[in-house]
Amino acid sequence: AQSVTQLDSHVSVSEGTPVLLRCNYSSSYSPSLFWYVQHPNKGLQLLLKYTSAATLVKGINGFEAEFKKSETSFHLTKPSAHMSDAAEYFCVLLSGGYNKLIFGAGTRLAVHP
Amino acid sequence: SAVISQKPSRDICQRGTSLTIQCQVDSQVTMMFWYRQQPGQSLTLIATANQGSEATYESGFVIDKFPISRPNLTFSTLTVSNMSPEDSSIYLCSVGSRTGGVTDTQYFGPGTRLTVL
Repeated sequence: AQSVTQLDSHVSVSEGTPVLLRCNYSSSYSPSLFWYVQHPNKGLQLLLKYTSAATLVKGINGFEAEFKKSETSFHLTKPSAHMSDAAEYFCVLLSGGYNKLIFGAGTRLAVHP
Repeated sequence: SAVISQKPSRDICQRGTSLTIQCQVDSQVTMMFWYRQQPGQSLTLIATANQGSEATYESGFVIDKFPISRPNLTFSTLTVSNMSPEDSSIYLCSVGSRTGGVTDTQYFGPGTRLTVL
């Protein structure tokens, strides 16, 4: 079975400190993985995606994620948090061959001054 | 990426009524999808809207409750029928991009926030 687990429902950081949002996946296929961000009362915006090319993926707004097959992980990081990063983040797996996205439960990131 | 718009952006409806949500894309796309996001929850796929054929529904969702139209490659509608307060959610459409013949990335519309009283 294919699934996505976001290990933290809430993460709180101070502005200027690093951000780590953790995601583990389970897939029988070579996975395609994504991180999306949802700001309050907004739609989903694609941050970055992994589709079997480079394991370190750079996205928008300074975010990046590293695909680690041995750990079945795809954690999202940012060196320095900004107040505007406060939002809900979703780790997403593309179900092999079916164009179906499987969403994690989401991690709410709070950024404090 | 495609530019996707949804109408209405939000609505408050009475139970027992129906609401049709529109999704418009600025370019032709093969795959369009409808998702539901219940309050405080993640997204769940309702159905895949196929142009020229019936929509494909996920387990737990039925055509009578969520009829979908896909008249062309840039437009789709989702109707929430005979609404109850449990249908209060954000409804989002998305479109798939294709790379090498395989749909990989999906881009989302801004969503429709529905409240049922």
